[in-house]
Amino acid sequence: DSGVTQTPKHLITATGQRVTLRCSPRSGDLSVYWYQQSLDQGLQFLIQYYNGEERAKGNILERFSAQQFPDLHSELNLSSLELGDSALYFCASSAGQFGTDTQYFGPGTRLTVL
Amino acid sequence: AQSVAQPEDQVNVAEGNPLTVKCTYSVSGNPYLFWYVQYPNRGLQFLLKYITGDNLVKGSYGFEAEFNKSQTSFHLKKPSALVSDSALYFCAVRDPRYNNNDMRFGAGTRLTVKP
Repeated sequence: DSGVTQTPKHLITATGQRVTLRCSPRSGDLSVYWYQQSLDQGLQFLIQYYNGEERAKGNILERFSAQQFPDLHSELNLSSLELGDSALYFCASSAGQFGTDTQYFGPGTRLTVL
Repeated sequence: AQSVAQPEDQVNVAEGNPLTVKCTYSVSGNPYLFWYVQYPNRGLQFLLKYITGDNLVKGSYGFEAEFNKSQTSFHLKKPSALVSDSALYFCAVRDPRYNNNDMRFGAGTRLTVKP
């Protein structure tokens, strides 16, 4: 168990809908990262937050947004969902904001868009 | 931008034999390199990383990896494979020249250890 928690574990929704995925980092970690894992795209970095501020941005669509709250938990919002958004979404956390930091991954949220 | 390649989709070894999972990277300069393992229906688990220093890095569960700058490789190794090592293995790279934390993952290599 990495200490990173994600809810819900599974999510089934319809095209055009909006969902929110939640992540709680390991105790003491200030950075939260979001990744998308799909069969065709592999594991892709979406976005990083450090202590409430956006720190780095990857291949995140404009329909997606994230935030990190004062208690350091993070939420990833996905809107106007498309079939192609079906994937595993992982959250990871690390102590700091540096490239040398080890990221610890949560168990993931499996999103199915019908 | 940085990238990493795992040339083998699948690696099969017999229990007790040594295993190698290959990874090559593309970064100008010195990379930060990581190995993760993913078991079915689980998140990624950190195995080891290379930042600087000794080219041979030892990690969790008896795994080790050797950073080879001339061959731009960071192969994962274990002297004696266990059936429980069967999983999906990911290599990842960060380019320290850029002030971001964009970690690029390889496509993954499925390791199967047969009894």
